[in-house]
Amino acid sequence: GAGVSQSPSNKVTEKGKDVELRCDPISGHTALYWYRQSLGQGLEFLIYFQGNSAPDKSGLPSDRFSAERTGGSVSTLTIQRTQQEDSAVYLCASSPYRAGTEAFFGQGTRLTVV
Amino acid sequence: DQQVKQNSPSLSVQEGRISILNCDYTNSMFDYFLWYKKYPAEGPTFLISISSIKDKNEDGRFTVFLNKSAKHLSLHIVPSQPGDSAVYFCAAINTGTASKLTFGTGTRLQVTL
Repeated sequence: GAGVSQSPSNKVTEKGKDVELRCDPISGHTALYWYRQSLGQGLEFLIYFQGNSAPDKSGLPSDRFSAERTGGSVSTLTIQRTQQEDSAVYLCASSPYRAGTEAFFGQGTRLTVV
Repeated sequence: DQQVKQNSPSLSVQEGRISILNCDYTNSMFDYFLWYKKYPAEGPTFLISISSIKDKNEDGRFTVFLNKSAKHLSLHIVPSQPGDSAVYFCAAINTGTASKLTFGTGTRLQVTL
């Protein structure tokens, strides 16, 4: 399909393990966002990539979280030594970043740390 | 520092009536505003947007109003339908600085029969 694709859709992991979440943005979109939504909470900004600029990492909650975007396309969000409070839905969005355009979201990855 | 605020976590409206969802922002550099709708187990979907050069944008049953002096925007849905029941997020961006899209905390709308 032509939309934002995230994988896996669900992930259950044991506390202390590392996880990688993948996002395939819409082709040609230069902006890519990662957000997360914990149960009953709003959308928490994590990291933002825009073209070749340095990413805005101001939302990453700890140094256990990192993300990269290879070739200006696919992005991977890595959480090391997962904790139970990391359980959330992780959402990726991409945008062509022209004025007057919106960001398109993927379906999200539901991460459960047990 | 919550730059985009939705002070009402929930709202219940009867079918056929008007739903009004509110959003306040603090950053005067925001120049483009969006509303997203989110159903459970799905990603947010874009609903409607407005540029800061306008004060109103209408799309079918949905109208967004922007009051720049008050740093306030609102989404009106009329008439409300049961399928409108969802969480609504407002978002803002400064398109001139390639900055990130900043979201509010969301308002859960329940449209009752």
